[in-house]
Amino acid sequence: EAGVVQSPRYKIIEKKQPVAFWCNPISGHNTLYWYRQNLGQGPELLIRYENEEAVDDSQLPKDRFSAERLKGVDSTLKIQPAELGDSAVYLCASSSVRTGIYNEQFFGPGTRLTVL
Amino acid sequence: AQKITQTQPGMFVQEKEAVTLDCTYDTSDPSYGLFWYKQPSSGEMIFLIYQGSYDQQNATEGRYSLNFQKARKSANLVISASQLGDSAMYFCAMSVYEKLTFGTGTRLTIIP
Repeated sequence: EAGVVQSPRYKIIEKKQPVAFWCNPISGHNTLYWYRQNLGQGPELLIRYENEEAVDDSQLPKDRFSAERLKGVDSTLKIQPAELGDSAVYLCASSSVRTGIYNEQFFGPGTRLTVL
Repeated sequence: AQKITQTQPGMFVQEKEAVTLDCTYDTSDPSYGLFWYKQPSSGEMIFLIYQGSYDQQNATEGRYSLNFQKARKSANLVISASQLGDSAMYFCAMSVYEKLTFGTGTRLTIIP
């Protein structure tokens, strides 16, 4: 079974430029999460989707961040415009009630964003 | 609000020794799950072990065990017979209503 796929793995941009990250969850997983992990910290939830509906976006900075999950499968996270403080690793995770473990989340390799 | 505290920023352990990574948590919700994840330098979060708040016995998965002390709100990870490949960041996390909250992590280095 393929794991969570993310692209790109690395991205370097100038501040004020836009950037987008893509995530393909594990097949059959209806819940998708985007996290941001700052250097030396644990991941922090940005947004959670149940199928195509964003059910928790309370931590998403909506002035510059946006996300979508069309057809309840792949998801895209966008930042426009990027700021220096957005430099971090952006992790995507997915889960399903069928995993048998309370809310076990499977993580992708992440996208490391550097804003210059 | 949920909070996870990991007080050990870094640990050095001799190969083949056992190691305990500390984790305390805080929540007012009676139903929660506790997780440990390993994050190697490649960046991917790897699930290690899970403990439910109503589970009576401590969870075990191979060389990993979770020392769950509910009254003290602690969920320490014990790795037996450490290996060089265990060198990584380790994160404790708690799930309440499907929201996962992570601690700041412990960097474990295994010395040959």
